[in-house]
Amino acid sequence: QVQLQESGPGLVKPSQTLSLTCTVAGGSISNAGYYWSWIRQHPGKGLEWIGYISYSGSAYYNPSLKSRVTISVDTSKNQFSLKVNSVTAADTAVYYCASTAPPFYYYYMDVWGNGTTVTVSS
Amino acid sequence: NFMLTQPHSVSESPGKTVTISCTRSSGSIASKFVQWYRQRPGSAPTTVIYEDTQRPSGVYDRFTGSIDSSSNSASLTISGLKTEDEADYYCQSYDSSTVVFGGGTKLTVL
Repeated sequence: QVQLQESGPGLVKPSQTLSLTCTVAGGSISNAGYYWSWIRQHPGKGLEWIGYISYSGSAYYNPSLKSRVTISVDTSKNQFSLKVNSVTAADTAVYYCASTAPPFYYYYMDVWGNGTTVTVSS
Repeated sequence: NFMLTQPHSVSESPGKTVTISCTRSSGSIASKFVQWYRQRPGSAPTTVIYEDTQRPSGVYDRFTGSIDSSSNSASLTISGLKTEDEADYYCQSYDSSTVVFGGGTKLTVL
Protein backbone atom coordinates (compact mmCIF):
# COMPACT_ATOMS: atom_id res chain seq x y z
CA GLN A 1 0.00 0.00 0.00
CA VAL A 2 1.35 3.42 -0.93
CA GLN A 3 1.82 6.27 1.52
CA LEU A 4 1.01 9.87 0.61
CA GLN A 5 2.34 13.16 1.92
CA GLU A 6 1.09 16.61 0.96
CA SER A 7 3.41 19.61 0.85
CA GLY A 8 3.25 23.24 -0.17
CA PRO A 9 2.91 26.80 1.14
CA GLY A 10 0.66 27.21 4.14
CA LEU A 11 -0.15 30.80 3.25
CA VAL A 12 -1.21 32.14 -0.15
CA LYS A 13 -2.21 35.68 -1.03
CA PRO A 14 -5.59 36.42 -2.61
CA SER A 15 -5.66 36.29 -6.42
CA GLN A 16 -2.49 34.16 -6.52
CA THR A 17 -2.13 30.48 -7.41
CA LEU A 18 -2.25 27.77 -4.75
CA SER A 19 0.18 24.96 -5.56
CA LEU A 20 0.37 21.70 -3.63
CA THR A 21 2.29 18.50 -4.18
CA CYS A 22 1.56 14.96 -3.04
CA THR A 23 4.57 12.65 -2.82
CA VAL A 24 3.91 8.97 -3.32
CA ALA A 25 5.99 6.47 -1.33
CA GLY A 26 5.96 2.70 -1.56
CA GLY A 27 4.90 2.51 -5.18
CA SER A 28 5.24 4.08 -8.59
CA ILE A 29 2.85 6.81 -9.64
CA SER A 30 3.04 5.35 -13.12
CA ASN A 31 1.57 1.99 -12.10
CA ALA A 32 -1.39 1.02 -14.22
CA GLY A 33 -4.80 1.19 -12.67
CA TYR A 34 -4.12 3.87 -10.08
CA TYR A 35 -6.13 7.04 -9.55
CA TRP A 36 -4.80 10.13 -7.75
CA SER A 37 -7.26 12.52 -6.08
CA TRP A 38 -7.48 15.79 -4.21
CA ILE A 39 -10.10 16.59 -1.57
CA ARG A 40 -10.42 19.63 0.67
CA GLN A 41 -12.17 20.48 3.90
CA HIS A 42 -13.07 24.03 4.85
CA PRO A 43 -12.64 24.90 8.54
CA GLY A 44 -15.30 23.10 10.55
CA LYS A 45 -17.03 21.86 7.39
CA GLY A 46 -17.42 18.68 5.39
CA LEU A 47 -15.34 17.10 2.65
CA GLU A 48 -15.31 18.58 -0.85
CA TRP A 49 -14.01 16.58 -3.80
CA ILE A 50 -11.68 18.63 -6.02
CA GLY A 51 -10.77 16.16 -8.75
CA TYR A 52 -8.62 13.23 -9.81
CA ILE A 53 -6.18 12.15 -12.46
CA SER A 54 -6.00 8.63 -13.77
CA TYR A 55 -2.94 6.53 -14.50
CA SER A 56 -3.53 7.27 -18.17
CA GLY A 57 -3.35 11.02 -17.55
CA SER A 58 -7.04 11.86 -17.86
CA ALA A 59 -8.20 14.42 -15.29
CA TYR A 60 -11.71 15.13 -14.00
CA TYR A 61 -12.74 18.02 -11.79
CA ASN A 62 -15.54 19.21 -9.55
CA PRO A 63 -17.74 21.30 -11.87
CA SER A 64 -17.81 24.12 -9.30
CA LEU A 65 -13.99 24.38 -9.39
CA LYS A 66 -13.20 23.22 -12.90
CA SER A 67 -12.35 26.64 -14.31
CA ARG A 68 -9.64 27.25 -11.68
CA VAL A 69 -8.15 23.81 -10.98
CA THR A 70 -5.46 21.68 -12.61
CA ILE A 71 -4.21 18.28 -11.44
CA SER A 72 -1.07 16.85 -13.00
CA VAL A 73 1.48 14.10 -12.51
CA ASP A 74 5.28 14.33 -12.37
CA THR A 75 6.55 10.80 -12.93
CA SER A 76 10.20 11.81 -12.50
CA LYS A 77 9.50 12.88 -8.91
CA ASN A 78 6.79 10.30 -8.19
CA GLN A 79 4.43 13.14 -7.30
CA PHE A 80 1.13 14.57 -8.36
CA SER A 81 0.10 18.15 -7.89
CA LEU A 82 -2.81 20.52 -7.52
CA LYS A 83 -3.02 24.09 -8.75
CA VAL A 84 -5.89 26.42 -7.91
CA ASN A 85 -5.87 29.78 -9.69
CA SER A 86 -7.21 33.11 -8.49
CA VAL A 87 -7.68 32.04 -4.90
CA THR A 88 -9.87 33.83 -2.38
CA ALA A 89 -10.50 33.36 1.32
CA ALA A 90 -13.06 30.73 0.34
CA ASP A 91 -10.17 28.47 -0.71
CA THR A 92 -8.84 28.38 2.85
CA ALA A 93 -9.02 24.70 3.82
CA VAL A 94 -7.20 21.52 4.72
CA TYR A 95 -6.19 19.85 1.46
CA TYR A 96 -5.90 16.08 1.28
CA CYS A 97 -4.42 13.92 -1.45
CA ALA A 98 -5.70 10.38 -1.83
CA SER A 99 -5.14 7.34 -4.02
CA THR A 100 -7.08 4.42 -5.43
CA ALA A 101 -5.34 1.16 -6.21
CA PRO A 102 -6.52 -1.52 -8.61
CA PRO A 103 -8.84 -3.33 -8.87
CA PHE A 104 -10.86 -0.39 -7.58
CA TYR A 105 -11.91 2.74 -9.46
CA TYR A 106 -11.57 6.44 -8.74
CA TYR A 107 -14.58 6.57 -6.44
CA TYR A 108 -12.95 4.51 -3.67
CA MET A 109 -10.13 6.54 -2.17
CA ASP A 110 -8.47 3.91 -0.02
CA VAL A 111 -5.30 5.77 1.03
CA TRP A 112 -5.22 9.36 2.23
CA GLY A 113 -2.46 11.75 3.14
CA ASN A 114 -2.48 13.51 6.49
CA GLY A 115 -3.63 16.77 4.95
CA THR A 116 -2.05 20.19 4.74
CA THR A 117 -3.61 23.47 5.85
CA VAL A 118 -3.70 26.33 3.38
CA THR A 119 -4.77 29.80 4.41
CA VAL A 120 -5.55 32.49 1.85
CA SER A 121 -4.82 35.89 3.32
CA SER A 122 -2.93 39.04 2.49
CA ASN B 1 -25.41 16.88 -10.40
CA PHE B 2 -26.81 15.03 -7.41
CA MET B 3 -26.53 15.55 -3.66
CA LEU B 4 -26.16 13.18 -0.73
CA THR B 5 -28.05 14.22 2.40
CA GLN B 6 -27.08 12.99 5.85
CA PRO B 7 -28.43 13.88 9.30
CA HIS B 8 -26.27 16.53 10.91
CA SER B 9 -25.82 14.55 14.10
CA VAL B 10 -26.83 11.36 15.89
CA SER B 11 -26.17 10.16 19.40
CA GLU B 12 -26.47 6.87 21.19
CA SER B 13 -25.20 5.09 24.27
CA PRO B 14 -22.30 2.66 24.43
CA GLY B 15 -23.28 -0.88 23.52
CA LYS B 16 -26.30 0.25 21.49
CA THR B 17 -26.80 0.30 17.72
CA VAL B 18 -27.00 3.42 15.56
CA THR B 19 -27.84 3.90 11.90
CA ILE B 20 -26.74 6.85 9.77
CA SER B 21 -28.66 7.48 6.57
CA CYS B 22 -27.50 8.96 3.28
CA THR B 23 -30.17 9.92 0.73
CA ARG B 24 -29.36 10.51 -2.91
CA SER B 25 -31.27 13.42 -4.47
CA SER B 26 -31.40 12.18 -8.05
CA GLY B 27 -30.40 9.03 -9.85
CA SER B 28 -30.65 5.59 -8.33
CA ILE B 29 -28.68 4.94 -5.15
CA ALA B 30 -28.25 1.36 -6.36
CA SER B 31 -26.68 2.36 -9.66
CA LYS B 32 -23.39 3.67 -8.23
CA PHE B 33 -21.42 2.34 -5.28
CA VAL B 34 -21.53 4.14 -1.94
CA GLN B 35 -18.53 4.50 0.35
CA TRP B 36 -18.45 5.54 4.02
CA TYR B 37 -15.54 7.35 5.67
CA ARG B 38 -14.86 7.99 9.33
CA GLN B 39 -12.99 11.11 10.40
CA ARG B 40 -11.77 11.58 13.93
CA PRO B 41 -10.88 15.14 15.08
CA GLY B 42 -7.60 16.31 13.62
CA SER B 43 -7.17 13.24 11.44
CA ALA B 44 -7.64 12.31 7.81
CA PRO B 45 -10.69 10.28 6.80
CA THR B 46 -10.44 6.50 6.69
CA THR B 47 -12.73 4.05 4.95
CA VAL B 48 -15.16 1.96 6.96
CA ILE B 49 -17.33 0.72 4.06
CA TYR B 50 -16.66 0.62 0.32
CA GLU B 51 -18.80 -0.53 -2.61
CA ASP B 52 -22.01 -0.37 -0.56
CA THR B 53 -21.34 -3.22 1.85
CA GLN B 54 -17.65 -4.16 1.86
CA ARG B 55 -15.41 -3.66 4.88
CA PRO B 56 -11.70 -2.94 4.43
CA SER B 57 -9.39 -5.24 6.33
CA GLY B 58 -9.04 -4.04 9.88
CA VAL B 59 -12.57 -2.64 10.15
CA TYR B 60 -14.67 -4.51 12.66
CA ASP B 61 -17.81 -6.35 11.61
CA ARG B 62 -19.71 -4.00 13.91
CA PHE B 63 -19.83 -1.73 10.84
CA THR B 64 -22.42 -2.66 8.21
CA GLY B 65 -23.36 -0.88 5.00
CA SER B 66 -26.64 -1.30 3.16
CA ILE B 67 -28.68 0.13 0.30
CA ASP B 68 -32.44 0.75 0.22
CA SER B 69 -33.76 1.45 -3.26
CA SER B 70 -37.24 2.26 -1.98
CA SER B 71 -35.94 5.31 -0.12
CA ASN B 72 -33.04 5.87 -2.50
CA SER B 73 -30.70 5.86 0.42
CA ALA B 74 -27.67 4.12 1.87
CA SER B 75 -27.14 3.40 5.53
CA LEU B 76 -24.23 2.80 7.84
CA THR B 77 -25.10 0.77 10.92
CA ILE B 78 -22.72 0.55 13.85
CA SER B 79 -23.56 -2.03 16.50
CA GLY B 80 -22.07 -2.47 19.96
CA LEU B 81 -21.13 1.20 20.07
CA LYS B 82 -17.84 2.11 21.70
CA THR B 83 -16.65 5.53 22.74
CA GLU B 84 -13.91 5.23 20.09
CA ASP B 85 -16.63 5.24 17.40
CA GLU B 86 -17.32 8.90 18.18
CA ALA B 87 -16.38 10.73 14.97
CA ASP B 88 -17.73 12.38 11.84
CA TYR B 89 -19.01 9.97 9.19
CA TYR B 90 -19.30 10.83 5.50
CA CYS B 91 -21.04 8.94 2.74
CA GLN B 92 -19.73 9.34 -0.79
CA SER B 93 -20.81 8.28 -4.25
CA TYR B 94 -20.21 9.28 -7.85
CA ASP B 95 -21.62 9.69 -11.33
CA SER B 96 -20.11 10.52 -14.71
CA SER B 97 -16.56 10.74 -13.31
CA THR B 98 -17.70 13.17 -10.60
CA VAL B 99 -17.43 12.35 -6.90
CA VAL B 100 -19.89 13.68 -4.31
CA PHE B 101 -19.61 13.60 -0.52
CA GLY B 102 -22.50 13.86 1.88
CA GLY B 103 -22.42 16.70 4.38
CA GLY B 104 -21.29 14.45 7.20
CA THR B 105 -22.87 13.17 10.41
CA LYS B 106 -21.40 13.76 13.83
CA LEU B 107 -21.79 10.63 15.93
CA THR B 108 -21.75 11.17 19.67
CA VAL B 109 -21.44 8.15 21.94
CA LEU B 110 -22.56 9.10 25.42
